Amino acid sequence: DVKVTQSSRYLVKRTGEKVFLECVQDMDHENMFWYRQDPGLGLRLIYFSYDVKMKEKGDIPEGYSVSREKKERFSLILESASTNQTSMYLCASSLWDGDRGTDTEAFFGQGTRLTVV
Amino acid sequence: AQSVTQLGSHVSVSEGALVLLRCNYSSSVPPYLFWYVQYPNQGLQLLLKYTSAATLVKGINGFEAEFKKSETSFHLTKPSAHMSDAAEYFCAVSGTSGTYKYIFGTGTRLKVLA
Repeated sequence: DVKVTQSSRYLVKRTGEKVFLECVQDMDHENMFWYRQDPGLGLRLIYFSYDVKMKEKGDIPEGYSVSREKKERFSLILESASTNQTSMYLCASSLWDGDRGTDTEAFFGQGTRLTVV
Repeated sequence: AQSVTQLGSHVSVSEGALVLLRCNYSSSVPPYLFWYVQYPNQGLQLLLKYTSAATLVKGINGFEAEFKKSETSFHLTKPSAHMSDAAEYFCAVSGTSGTYKYIFGTGTRLKVLA
C-alpha cells in the first residue's frame, strides 16, 4: 500500500513564525503536491514537484515555499505565518504515466490542520 | 481549459436509498477520471478511477461510476446508502497535454439520513 505521511495532524502556530510541514511518501513516486483546502473553495494547489530539487508554482504560491532535497520528501514552508493561512494542508504523490503524458491517481496524506493565532 | 463540475454541493439520501453524485468534465476526454472520498479531518482516499479500459468502473465500498462520453459525465452511484457513506466526495481528472496538475471538482457533501 502506498503511504503518504504528513508529520503533524494538528498544528498551532503564532503569527510571524516560520512553519515547516513535512511530507514523506514510500512508493518512489516522481510527483508530489501540496494543496490547501478551505470550506467552499475546494482544493487549491500551492506547489508541486516533478523531480528532486524541481518545483513549480501552483495556483496560490504566495506566502509559501517548498523544498525537495530527496525524492521521498516534500516540505512546505510558510515563511512568516499569517492568520489567513489557517487551513487544512494536504500532501499528495503520484506516478507519472509517460505513455499518456499525465499523472495516474494521487495518493493523499492524512492532512495537517494548521491554525495560526 | 479543462474543468470539472459537480452538481450539488450537498446531497441527502435516506439509509438504503440510491446514491447518485454527479460529475461532468468540460471538454476533451481526460486520460484519467477519479472519484475520491474524504471523511472528516482526513485526507482524500481513492474510490475508483477510469482509465478507458471499461466505461463502467467498480470501486471500493460498493461504489461504481459510469463514463459517458456523449454526456461528458462520470457520475458516481451506490445502490444502497449506508450511514458510513456520509462524507465529502470529489471528482477529479488528470492533467492533459503533459501537465502535472489535477483538476478537482468543488466536492459534494453526502448526508445519510436514518
